[in-house]
Amino acid sequence: GQQVMQIPQYQHVQEGEDFTTYCNSSTTLSNIQWYKQRPGGHPVFLIQLVKSGEVKKQKRLTFQFGEAKKNSSLHITATQTTDVGTYFCAGRGAGGTSYGKLTFGQGTILTVHP
Amino acid sequence: DAMVIQNPRYQVTQFGKPVTLSCSQTLNHNVMYWYQQKSSQAPKLLFHYYDKDFNNEADTPDNFQSRRPNTSFCFLDIRSPGLGDAAMYLCATSRGQGTYEQYFGPGTRLTVT
Repeated sequence: GQQVMQIPQYQHVQEGEDFTTYCNSSTTLSNIQWYKQRPGGHPVFLIQLVKSGEVKKQKRLTFQFGEAKKNSSLHITATQTTDVGTYFCAGRGAGGTSYGKLTFGQGTILTVHP
Repeated sequence: DAMVIQNPRYQVTQFGKPVTLSCSQTLNHNVMYWYQQKSSQAPKLLFHYYDKDFNNEADTPDNFQSRRPNTSFCFLDIRSPGLGDAAMYLCATSRGQGTYEQYFGPGTRLTVT
């Protein structure tokens, strides 16, 4: 079945440092979504990428979708304490038995030290 | 505000005692999902409804059932909870499948004693 791997599992940074989490799928994706879950909270949708090679920015956050539509990354520039939380990618299968199925990566837990 | 509501937020049940978790939405979305999330893990999809059509994940135990009596409400029934079923249960909705984002409720934290 479809697998979505996300690394690193944990990331500790000093406030002001950059942060990147990577997501890799075992199968080609039709689209990929990113969610943020604050400690004790629920996942909140951040963005969706659909096109091969797509890059989207939200203030200090930059999202990329790979050319082969099998990998994605989220980069945060100059982290702030408000960025603390778990970042999940969720890929939607493009074909076969995984068609339409949204599979979450394991998440990257970001800690920001002030 | 339109939202996804889950009740209760915390539920304690005894080993083997049936429990029902509820979810309601004011978004008028067609799709409702139930996820199980254990500590420091990704949400795991249990099943979802597209309108009245029920879609069960292959690895969801038979112990878990769901009902969607109308567009707004969806229930998760755990027939005989085991200690391994202790988790956060998240309800989510989306307008449709495909490229639509999912809106999550605050979750119900289930404890099994």
